[in-house]
Amino acid sequence: NAGVTQTPKFQVLKTGQSMTLQCAQDMNHEYMSWYRQDPGMGLRLIHYSVGAGITDQGEVPNGYNVSRSTTEDFPLRLLSAAPSQTSVYFCASSSAGPPYEQYFGPGTRLTVT
Amino acid sequence: SQELEQSPQSLIVQEGKNLTINCTSSKTLYGLYWYKQKYGEGLIFLMMLQKGGEEKSHEKITAKLDEKKQQSSLHITASQPSHAGIYLCGALDYGQNFVFGPGTRLSVLP
Repeated sequence: NAGVTQTPKFQVLKTGQSMTLQCAQDMNHEYMSWYRQDPGMGLRLIHYSVGAGITDQGEVPNGYNVSRSTTEDFPLRLLSAAPSQTSVYFCASSSAGPPYEQYFGPGTRLTVT
Repeated sequence: SQELEQSPQSLIVQEGKNLTINCTSSKTLYGLYWYKQKYGEGLIFLMMLQKGGEEKSHEKITAKLDEKKQQSSLHITASQPSHAGIYLCGALDYGQNFVFGPGTRLSVLP
């Protein structure tokens, strides 16, 4: 039981490049989400999904796309990277309803130059 | 939207001392979650509070939700270096949107 896994752990991109951050969970959780963590701002929700085929925007969705074709995977796509997207990205999953104990992945540290 | 504030921003205590971290909401909370983040790692769930006046404990960590359900406190008794990290409170906003406070950075000096 690996829990929530994220790849890569570190990534450096140039402005304008695109990439996909991978997230997978093996707990059969319906709810998955992506956060970014920036100094002094805590974690902010980017996108979330309540089940396969269903996604919705969080607090800071601009510049990111998601899809949920399976229960296990929830990739986050950066369409055209910008320096403002330099951050640490966390993926999380939880059962669909309360208690909302979210399980977090180890994070991806992204730098956009 | 829901906003969570935490105080203090950072805290340095001597090992063995007690400490309290506060989380205040701009709206009534329908579920308040405490997480701990070790430096450079993901978040670990500590506990969840739902009812006004509720109190939960896990080992040396106790969390309370006030009667009005707008403030929660996290209390650590006899702190140890293993308690060091960033403590974040979180809550459900509208729908399925989950929001976090900015975090409190705790250092415990041996």
